[in-house]
Amino acid sequence: AQRVTQPEKLLSVFKGAPVELKCNYSYSGSPELFWYVQYSRQRLQLLLRHISRESIKGFTADLNKGETSFHLKKPFAQEEDSAMYYCALSGGYNKLIFGAGTRLAVHP
Amino acid sequence: DTGVSQNPRHKITKRGQNVTFRCDPISEHNRLYWYRQTLGQGPEFLTYFQNEAQLEKSRLLSDRFSAERPKGSFSTLEIQRTEQGDSAMYLCASSSPRAGGYTFGSGTRLTVV
Repeated sequence: AQRVTQPEKLLSVFKGAPVELKCNYSYSGSPELFWYVQYSRQRLQLLLRHISRESIKGFTADLNKGETSFHLKKPFAQEEDSAMYYCALSGGYNKLIFGAGTRLAVHP
Repeated sequence: DTGVSQNPRHKITKRGQNVTFRCDPISEHNRLYWYRQTLGQGPEFLTYFQNEAQLEKSRLLSDRFSAERPKGSFSTLEIQRTEQGDSAMYLCASSSPRAGGYTFGSGTRLTVV
């Protein structure tokens, strides 16, 4: 079965601390993985995709096929990073299978 | 705003009534998706259009739900005989092979009372 698991509903850190948002997936085949972010009162938007191997707003994510993980990391969290983060897997016709999301709260 | 537009933003309806939502995708995007999101969950796939053809439907899309995309432009999602369990945020997204990802609309929040 195709599934995305985000084990933490809430991750609370202080400004300047490192952040790691966990994502594990289950998929038979070569997956395409994404991170989407939703800031307060804004629409869901693409943060990064594993294919591009970019760093967006200081965030990076590496696909680990052995551990079936795609964790999102940032070395120094900023208050403006506070948002809802969703990991997603592309499964056929490019439809996305989302995890339940992790709320990141960065405190001053 | 040239993004994905959804109307209405909010809809409150009585149980048993029919409702229809509209999505206007980015004009050059040929793929259009509907998702449903309930509290505390990520978006769940409902259906997918490529141009005007509906190519995939989720098991979540019961026979009370119907979606159309005439002429491959805007799309409508209709829910007949609404139930309280239909209360959710309904999201539309569009993409194209060159887009590199979805663009989501702001969603339509449905409340069935």
